[in-house]
Amino acid sequence: GAVVSQHPSWVICKSGTSVKIECRSLDFQATTMFWYRQFPKQSLMLMATSNEGSKATYEQGVEKDKFLINHASLTLSTLTVTSAHPEDSSFYICSARAAGLEQYFGPGTRLTVT
Amino acid sequence: AQSVAQPEDQVNVAEGNPLTVKCTYSVSGNPYLFWYVQYPNRGLQFLLKYITGDNLVKGSYGFEAEFNKSQTSFHLKKPSALVSDSALYFCAVRGYDQTGANNLFFGTGTRLTVIP
Repeated sequence: GAVVSQHPSWVICKSGTSVKIECRSLDFQATTMFWYRQFPKQSLMLMATSNEGSKATYEQGVEKDKFLINHASLTLSTLTVTSAHPEDSSFYICSARAAGLEQYFGPGTRLTVT
Repeated sequence: AQSVAQPEDQVNVAEGNPLTVKCTYSVSGNPYLFWYVQYPNRGLQFLLKYITGDNLVKGSYGFEAEFNKSQTSFHLKKPSALVSDSALYFCAVRGYDQTGANNLFFGTGTRLTVIP
């Protein structure tokens, strides 16, 4: 099946710094990529959807200036958490989809802001 | 609007017994339904999907799900549970969000614990 990777798998950063998370589709071209956030014992919350070469579409309540998403190629999307704060600590999961296929999910990135 | 409900936060079952994880949905038009499994600190793994055709869908790891249009349900089942099946299970439906994009909408998840 299709494989989606994320890097890093976990990261600890200090409050006020920025963190970049990469999402790659390894064996298919992803026309659309998704970023989710998951709080402990809760479901996935869709943060934004991005199509290659265009600006991301953010869900209501998600700060686009804080969570910068770039979908530079058909195999790579990045999420940058700017000026991170402890409340940004969470599990971030990306997902990729090619035209006509179901979504494949990355293994997730655990972000801890101290 | 589309939505998915998983009425049980937790399901416990003895190893070797059959298991059922419940899911009901609400969607306009034909439903595209999915089940995913999540192990601790991991992303979601695709189990199975219903698009059209037979109401009984077979998926990975011996799981199956039954689509019931009249009850708007898509329950996940397995005839004989394994301890290794213990995980968090998500039901999802594909639909259009507020921006008009076609996305997956997830239920709140059901934690399955298989007791040895």
